[in-house]
Amino acid sequence: QQQVKQSPQSLIVQKGGISIINCAYENTAFDYFPWYQQFPGKGPALLIAIRPDVSEKKEGRFTISFNKSAKQFSLHIMDSQPGDSATYFCAASKKGGGNKLTFGTGTQLKVEL
Amino acid sequence: DAGITQSPRHKVTETGTPVTLRCHQTENHRYMYWYRQDPGHGLRLIHYSYGVKDTDKGEVSDGYSVSRSKTEDFLLTLESATSSQTSVYFCAIRNGTGGYGYTFGSGTRLTVV
Repeated sequence: QQQVKQSPQSLIVQKGGISIINCAYENTAFDYFPWYQQFPGKGPALLIAIRPDVSEKKEGRFTISFNKSAKQFSLHIMDSQPGDSATYFCAASKKGGGNKLTFGTGTQLKVEL
Repeated sequence: DAGITQSPRHKVTETGTPVTLRCHQTENHRYMYWYRQDPGHGLRLIHYSYGVKDTDKGEVSDGYSVSRSKTEDFLLTLESATSSQTSVYFCAIRNGTGGYGYTFGSGTRLTVV
């Protein structure tokens, strides 16, 4: 059972455009929703994270939008750059039980010139 | 990255042989995790540890065992490697942002032939 569903699987965006990646979750006990960025040959790195008590969080060109009632959250990358080309993973976690992160299946983003 | 190292970085092994991967941290964090990354599946939790000699199973633990005899080291053992265990393995430590942030190692690419 995929507890965190991520789409699209791949995405091509022109330089300067907006990249949008979506995730949906099932477990209402989740209370922490991070996004990770991964470059080839590297481990995932925390990009930005949100808790369900806010609907949006912005850090530079990266924004998380969170819809608690729909159990959905999304990553928006404004003014996308070729250096943003990477794989992005959404994830979710809840308190207790080791605070384990459950990941989505990933989105491979390519930003073209 | 942030005091976490994995070894080896690459390994090729034969079906049926035992294999041990090592994760070493220098920051004295309590929680450590082993994930595997496969195309189309994202990152899936194998086992995790919440202290010395305290470990628990993740969602894909069959065929794997772990040990943590010291805070700094978390070992993952494939008891009898199979081709289905060909994957990239990542170790992570839980080290804070919001209490749930993970830092990942650079990964071990394991090929079982």
